[in-house]
Amino acid sequence: DAGVTQSPTHLIKTRGQHVTLRCSPISGHKSVSWYQQVLGQGPQFIFQYYEKEERGRGNFPDRFSARQFPNYSSELNVNALLLGDSALYLCASRGLAGAYSYNEQFFGPGTRLTVL
Amino acid sequence: SQQGEEDPQALSIQEGENATMNCSYKTSINNLQWYRQNSGRGLVHLILIRSNEREKHSGRLRVTLDTSKKSSSLLITASRAADTASYFCAPLNRDDKIIFGKGTRLHILP
Repeated sequence: DAGVTQSPTHLIKTRGQHVTLRCSPISGHKSVSWYQQVLGQGPQFIFQYYEKEERGRGNFPDRFSARQFPNYSSELNVNALLLGDSALYLCASRGLAGAYSYNEQFFGPGTRLTVL
Repeated sequence: SQQGEEDPQALSIQEGENATMNCSYKTSINNLQWYRQNSGRGLVHLILIRSNEREKHSGRLRVTLDTSKKSSSLLITASRAADTASYFCAPLNRDDKIIFGKGTRLHILP
C-alpha cells in the first residue's frame, strides 16, 4: 500500500507568487493535516480537514488556504508568497475512529518550498 | 491543542549505547506518538502509546507513559549510526490537533 504522497517534491517561487501543494492520503484515511516546518524547528500545524470540512486551523495568515476533495486528497494554497514562507510543507493523514482520533498519523515526504 | 516538549534538545552518544529522550505535556491525552525525522525529510511514525498503557515495545524502541506526571520517554537500545535523526513526541488530546515541540536531535558517534 502506498503511504502519504505529496507533490511536487521541490518548488522554487519568487516573492508575490502563489503556490499549490498537493497531498494524497493513505487509502481509507479521511483526515488530512498540513504542517509547515522551517529549519531547526518542529512542524507547525496549519490546517486539518476531515470529510472535506475544516476541523482546525493554526496561527497562519489568510494567505494560507486549503481544501479537501471527495477522494480525500488535499491542496494547500499560499498566496502572495513571502521569503519567510520558505519551508518544508508536510502533509499527514489519519484514519479516524468516530469523531476523534485514536489512530496513528502518518506523514508524507514533504514539499520543499523555496521563495526567492 | 496539546504541545509536547522534548528533552534534551540535543544528545550525542557512542554507537552501541542506549539513548533516552523525554517528553512532557500539559493536559490529559488520548494517546502519544513518537516520530523520527532524518535531515530535511518527512516524519516517520515510530510508535503510538495509548493513555491506558504504561509501556510499549517495538524492536529496539521502548516507550513509557506516565500520565500522572504527564511525561513519556523513548529509549533506543544498542544505537546505530542510522538512528541519527531528530525525534519528536506528539501528544494528542480530545481536540485532535498535534502541536510539535522542537524535538531532540540525536547524534550517534562512530
